[in-house]
Amino acid sequence: DAKTTQPNSMESNEEEPVHLPCNHSTISGTDYIHWYRQLPSQGPEYVIHGLTSNVNNRMASLAIAEDRKSSTLILHRATLRDAAVYYCILRDSWGSQGNLIFGKGTKLSVKP
Amino acid sequence: DVKVTQSSRYLVKRTGEKVFLECVQDMDHENMFWYRQDPGLGLRLIYFSYDVKMKEKGDIPEGYSVSREKKERFSLILESASTNQTSMYLCASSLGGGAPKRTEAFFGQGTRLTVV
Repeated sequence: DAKTTQPNSMESNEEEPVHLPCNHSTISGTDYIHWYRQLPSQGPEYVIHGLTSNVNNRMASLAIAEDRKSSTLILHRATLRDAAVYYCILRDSWGSQGNLIFGKGTKLSVKP
Repeated sequence: DVKVTQSSRYLVKRTGEKVFLECVQDMDHENMFWYRQDPGLGLRLIYFSYDVKMKEKGDIPEGYSVSREKKERFSLILESASTNQTSMYLCASSLGGGAPKRTEAFFGQGTRLTVV
């Protein structure tokens, strides 16, 4: 399975943009890039996903490199509630049952 | 609001007990998953099911079994609980077929199981 690499931790100030990077150099052509986050004492929740083009939703934006070997999750204005562990996941090849393979993720701290 | 509901938030059981963790989803999803989460090890897949009565082993199935008699319900069974099964258990569901790659998975709130 293709793997992802993320920084262990990042810090941000409240109301500033946050760019969370993810490297996935062995991504295959059919892998979708998914982002989930896990708030303290809760189950993971979906944030956003994409294949090739940049994507926006009410929570975040996803910028995907042209060669697809990396991507960046963008939180436009961090709030204290965005403090969580963020996971970048490749949903793997065709025929899979869609198992999510979690790495260690990036722990985002947001300072007031 | 779509939901994945786990029967208990916190559970304390004795070594050797048979333990049932229940998970119900109301989204008519084909796929359901059980993960456990431990500090430093992250989330690891125990079992998943892609249809009623169908199951596949994940990365760490030893000491666990599962049951899926109805589409909406996926149970994780610890046949004889041991202290090394103390963990946070998370259930998830998602659409099946060719959809999983391009749709989201939904997680329950988790069950924190302590085996004493």
